[in-house]
Order: sequence, then structure tokens, then C-alpha cells
Amino acid sequence: GAVVSQHPSRVICKSGTSVKIECRSLDFQATTMFWYRQFPKQSLMLMATSNEGSKATYEQGVEKDKFLINHASLTLSTLTVTSAHPEDSSFYICSARQPTGYGYTFGSGTRLTVV
Amino acid sequence: SQQGEEDPQALSIQEGENATMNCSYKTSINNLQWYRQNSGRGLVHLILIRSNEREKHSGRLRVTLDTSKKSSSLLITASRAADTASYFCATEGGNDMRFGAGTRLTVKP
Repeated sequence: GAVVSQHPSRVICKSGTSVKIECRSLDFQATTMFWYRQFPKQSLMLMATSNEGSKATYEQGVEKDKFLINHASLTLSTLTVTSAHPEDSSFYICSARQPTGYGYTFGSGTRLTVV
Repeated sequence: SQQGEEDPQALSIQEGENATMNCSYKTSINNLQWYRQNSGRGLVHLILIRSNEREKHSGRLRVTLDTSKKSSSLLITASRAADTASYFCATEGGNDMRFGAGTRLTVKP
């Protein structure tokens, strides 16, 4: 079945540095991928839609200059958290629409801690 | 932004009892899905119900969908302590998927 691999699973970084999170579709091509953020004990909030070969579409309230999304190939989307601050500490999850057209496959998530 | 609300926000039951969680949404959908998430971990896909379906079963899970009321319910029968987790509904409509607020289920042994 469709598999999405997300790395790293955990990352700790210093305040002010940048962190890159990768999301790969392993056995299918994903023209569209999605990035979500989840704060403790809350639901998943859609941050942006990543489109292969074009600019990402960001949800209202999400800073596009802070959360850089690159979808340079049909199997890879990256999310870079620039100049990270402690308030950016969260669980980030990517997903891709399954080739069948139904349902989404999710990565295993990245726990980001900014110290 | 989130799609809708789920209730209850938290549910605590004894092992063997049934657990019912409800989800409401706001816009037209292609399908609705339920996911489970153990604390601090990734999502596990439970079941998908299409907009033209009214009820679906999978093992101990029963999902209903009422598109006229824009609501869905997830029933877990004969609950087990291992069912303790957060449960989210997610609606797929247009070009993305959005999640409800979630229900934290605790099943006491």
C-alpha cells in the first residue's frame, strides 16, 4: 500500500536555528502533499498544501516566510521551520493523497522541540 | 482551520462498555474518515465512509454518516483498555482534509 516516510521523527534545536523536515512518498507519486501541526492535547491543524512544481498554499495565519515548503519532486516535500522559537515546538505531520483518489496516507510525524 | 466539532471532548468508560463519539462538520464533503492517535504518536486510519454511504462496519467499529445534519458517529463496541487513545474525525472535501477537535477516550480495565 501507499507509504509516506517522514524524517526526522524527533529533533531538538536551539532557538534561532532552522530545521528541515522531509516527507517522502515511497511507492507512489504525490503531486500534492499536506502539512499539519499539532499542539499538545489539540487536534491537527492544516498549515499548508504543498504542490509539486509550484508554490505552496498556506492557511490563514500561517507565516509562509517562517514555514518554508518545497515540493521539488513528485515524491518529496520538505518543511523548513526558519528561525525557530520555543513556541514553534510542536508535532508536525505530513500527508499525501493516495493514488486511488480516496483517503490520505500520513507520515509518522516529527516532534520538534526548540530550546 | 479545523472543520468541526467533536463530542464529547473526553470520555471515560469501563472495559467492555461501548464508546460513542460524535463529529459535526461544516462544509460539503467527499468522504469522512476516523483516525486514532496514541499519545504523542502518529495517526492510525480506522475507517472511511463516503458521502453516499450511511453506515459502515469494520470489526468492533461502526460509523454512521448523516450528510443532511453534517454529522457522523463512531461506535466502538466491547471496548478494551488498549482502545485508550484520541480519536479524530477528518473530512475530505475539495482538495484537502481537515480534522475535528478530537475525543480523548479512556477505557479503564
